[in-house]
Amino acid sequence: KQEVTQIPAALSVPEGENLVLNCSFTDSAIYNLQWFRQDPGKGLTSLLLIQSSQREQTSGRLNASLDKSSGRSTLYIAASQPGDSATYLCAVSKVTGNQFYFGTGTSLTVIP
Amino acid sequence: DTGVSQDPRHKITKRGQNVTFRCDPISEHNRLYWYRQTLGQGPEFLTYFQNEAQLEKSRLLSDRFSAERPKGSFSTLEIQRTEQGDSAMYLCASKEGRGTEAFFGQGTRLTVV
Repeated sequence: KQEVTQIPAALSVPEGENLVLNCSFTDSAIYNLQWFRQDPGKGLTSLLLIQSSQREQTSGRLNASLDKSSGRSTLYIAASQPGDSATYLCAVSKVTGNQFYFGTGTSLTVIP
Repeated sequence: DTGVSQDPRHKITKRGQNVTFRCDPISEHNRLYWYRQTLGQGPEFLTYFQNEAQLEKSRLLSDRFSAERPKGSFSTLEIQRTEQGDSAMYLCASKEGRGTEAFFGQGTRLTVV
C-alpha cells in the first residue's frame, strides 16, 4: 500500500511570500505524481502532473519537483496571492494497479 | 463545458433510503474513477473502470455499494440502505490513459440524516 503524507497540514502566509508545500510517499515505484487544488466544498482542480522520469514541472507561478528515489515532491508557489488560498493535495499513481493515492492535504491561507 | 460532470451536486436522504449518483466523464477518456472524501481527509479510492469493465474495487466498497458504466460512457454509483457513515463527498475522475492527467468533477455531497 502507498502511504502519502503532506506537511504542513496548514499554513498561513502574508501576501507576496514564496512558499513550499511538501508531499512524501512510501513506495518509490510510482508512475506519476499529480498536484491538485481544492476549494471548500468543491471538487479537485489539477495543477501539475509529473511523470516518474521527470524532475520538475512548471505552470505560471507554480513549480513542482519530484525526487522519486527519496519519495518526495514539493510544490513551490511564488509571490502568493489571496486567491491561492485553498487546500492543496498530492496524489501518487503506483506502477502496479490503477488507483492513485492521496495525502490529507495542506490548507493554505494567504493573508492580504 | 467539456469537463467531468456530476449530478446531483447535493443530496440529503434519510437513513435506509437508496441513492444514485451520476458521473459523465470527458468524452474521449476511457478510464473512470470514483473516490470518497470525508471532512479534513484526502479522497479515498472506491472503484475504477476501464471502458465498461470494472477492474478494481476497494474494500471500502461494501455490498451496499454498486457502480456501473454501461457502454463505457457515463457511470452511476448506487448506495443502498444508506447509513450516517455514508455521509461524504463522492468524487468522480476520468483519464485518457494510464500516465495522463486526471480530471475531477465537482463532486456530489451526500448527507444522510
